[in-house]
Amino acid sequence: QKEVEQNSGPLSVPEGAIASLNCTYSDRVSQSFFWYRQYSGKSPELIMSIYSNGDKEDGRFTAQLNKASQYVSLLIRDSQPSDSATYLCAVLYGQNFVFGPGTRLSVLP
Amino acid sequence: DAGVIQSPRHEVTEMGQEVTLRCKPISGHNSLFWYRQTMMRGLELLIYFNNNVPIDDSGMPEDRFSAKMPNASFSTLKIQPSEPRDSAVYFCASTLSSHEQYFGPGTRLTVT
Repeated sequence: QKEVEQNSGPLSVPEGAIASLNCTYSDRVSQSFFWYRQYSGKSPELIMSIYSNGDKEDGRFTAQLNKASQYVSLLIRDSQPSDSATYLCAVLYGQNFVFGPGTRLSVLP
Repeated sequence: DAGVIQSPRHEVTEMGQEVTLRCKPISGHNSLFWYRQTMMRGLELLIYFNNNVPIDDSGMPEDRFSAKMPNASFSTLKIQPSEPRDSAVYFCASTLSSHEQYFGPGTRLTVT
């Protein structure tokens, strides 16, 4: 059974702080990892992909991958109220994307 | 690029009726996925196609559900007969060679 786990939250952070979202996965073979943002009532939107160990930065977002420990994280710097959403971690197993349950983030003004 | 297109956006039907959901993937993408999302179960993969061929339909809940992809630019998900527990948001997503996946706006299905 391919599993992806996330804390459901809610995770609350003050505006301007760093939000840290974590995800663990069950299969060491996985090579591709993705973070999606989903606003209430909307569809998931891809914000980051990461394929190799280490950090990948894109604007205020940094994805971190540690394959030995089987976890991937997303850091959001200078959090804004507009970042309030559910963040879904997805892992590619073969041709099959498996999604975690999502972490609900609330950025307080 | 128009992105993934789904129709209808909302569907309300009575139990026992047939429901057909439609999806047009992004042009040039070769894989298409159907998901169902509920509060209780999150985002569940129902079926996916690669080059119009169904690869894995193990997520299809039961025989009442069927999906087709007659060509590279169109897919349908059919529920017959529909039941109240089928009420959910159904998403279609497409990708090129198992890279980043892009979602359509979804169809909100309510079965009364």
